[in-house]
Amino acid sequence: DIQMTQSPSTLSASVGDRVTITCRASQSITNWLAWYQQKPGKAPKLLIYEASRLESGVPSRFSGSGSGTEFTLTISSLQPDDFATYYCQQYSSYSTFGQGTKVEIK
Amino acid sequence: EVQLVESGGGLVQPGRSLRLSCAASGFTFDEYAMHWVRQSPGKGLEWVSGIGRYSGSIGFADSVKGRFTISRDNAKSSLYLQMNSLRPEDTALYYCAKARLNWGLLDYWGQGALVTVSS
Repeated sequence: DIQMTQSPSTLSASVGDRVTITCRASQSITNWLAWYQQKPGKAPKLLIYEASRLESGVPSRFSGSGSGTEFTLTISSLQPDDFATYYCQQYSSYSTFGQGTKVEIK
Repeated sequence: EVQLVESGGGLVQPGRSLRLSCAASGFTFDEYAMHWVRQSPGKGLEWVSGIGRYSGSIGFADSVKGRFTISRDNAKSSLYLQMNSLRPEDTALYYCAKARLNWGLLDYWGQGALVTVSS
């Protein structure tokens, strides 16, 4: 099974900060990686797919990069609506989620 | 508008069974794979199981393999999760999710059904 390791588990940041979250796969998943945002009491929302493709309607301050085993999600200028938990997911072989990164207000 | 509505959750004793259902609408159900993802209270997301368009491709997480069964009824636009031999660690909110054309990319999610396993 493919394991996904996200870091950090918690991130404290301020509005306007540039934020980067990392996700590592235990084996190559080429670019079959997605990023989701989840707010308390809500279902996850798809942000990025195929490692770098922005889902329709998602603000352009979100971007994804990477391939193989190393991936990043970047928020170029953190907005109040972005404080949430972010998960990576591999869908190369069945599916696995990372453990999540909570982005909190500094 | 895509809608996914889970039902069948509740309180169940360890070792017992429960069946979750997901009613889908707003899209052509038999054109997409479907999945179950769970989230234990205060914890992260865990993929549970997925099923292809015509049930030809099915997968399970190791944590539920041999205990859970996934199925679908395309005529009824419905997805099911049969959960047997339930354990306290199966306590979670169970989400039904629709896949995009790629089997595992999840683009729409329901609001979840809560399953509590406790004596």
